[in-house]
Amino acid sequence: DTEVTQTPKHLVMGMTNKKSLKCEQHMGHRAMYWYKQKAKKPPELMFVYSYEKLSINESVPSRFSPECPNSSLLNLHLHALQPEDSALYLCASSQEVGRNEQFFGPGTRLTVL
Amino acid sequence: DAKTTQPPSMDCAEGRAANLPCNHSTISGNEYVYWYRQIHSQGPQYIIHGLKNNETNEMASLIITEDRKSSTLILPHATLRDTAVYYCIVRVAGNQGGKLIFGQGTELSVKP
Repeated sequence: DTEVTQTPKHLVMGMTNKKSLKCEQHMGHRAMYWYKQKAKKPPELMFVYSYEKLSINESVPSRFSPECPNSSLLNLHLHALQPEDSALYLCASSQEVGRNEQFFGPGTRLTVL
Repeated sequence: DAKTTQPPSMDCAEGRAANLPCNHSTISGNEYVYWYRQIHSQGPQYIIHGLKNNETNEMASLIITEDRKSSTLILPHATLRDTAVYYCIVRVAGNQGGKLIFGQGTELSVKP
């Protein structure tokens, strides 16, 4: 299985809602990543997890809260988002941090109303 | 990580070779060149990477100049399915938690 899956595919939420994005991989990878991609722009790194511990937070606002409950799962909890947070949220994984190519999921298209 | 420069867009005829250039004139000796692509509405896909020797896999070939200041990704027989944004990224293996810093990329259009 060489796939990274993400759910949901699409999400619409209001500014007062709380929602979560989910990412899963079964390749035995120990590094997992969240990226944000605005329309017509390249992906931008948000968080890096290594062996289930947060290793990089790219100064992301606290309304985005990552969680890595086990080595296969990565969540992104969303609360009090702004319309400008509307974007494609991509999850990726790699065998180890910084050593191998990253495998990306298809992304969750988020719209904040 | 060194900065890369790519043309914003290119066209290629179906069945012909697509040659995508990338400049990375400030590359350091321990930095690798990586190529990813992103087909519309999908996640990026790893293509190939190299340090200083030319590399080939089932998807593409990577040609790195001797001074390592530029490289070319070659798709030998482009198909319509190769239409995508292609990103050239320079990074140190094991660097800073594995950051991939994407530039603006080249939008390749393969036409029938």
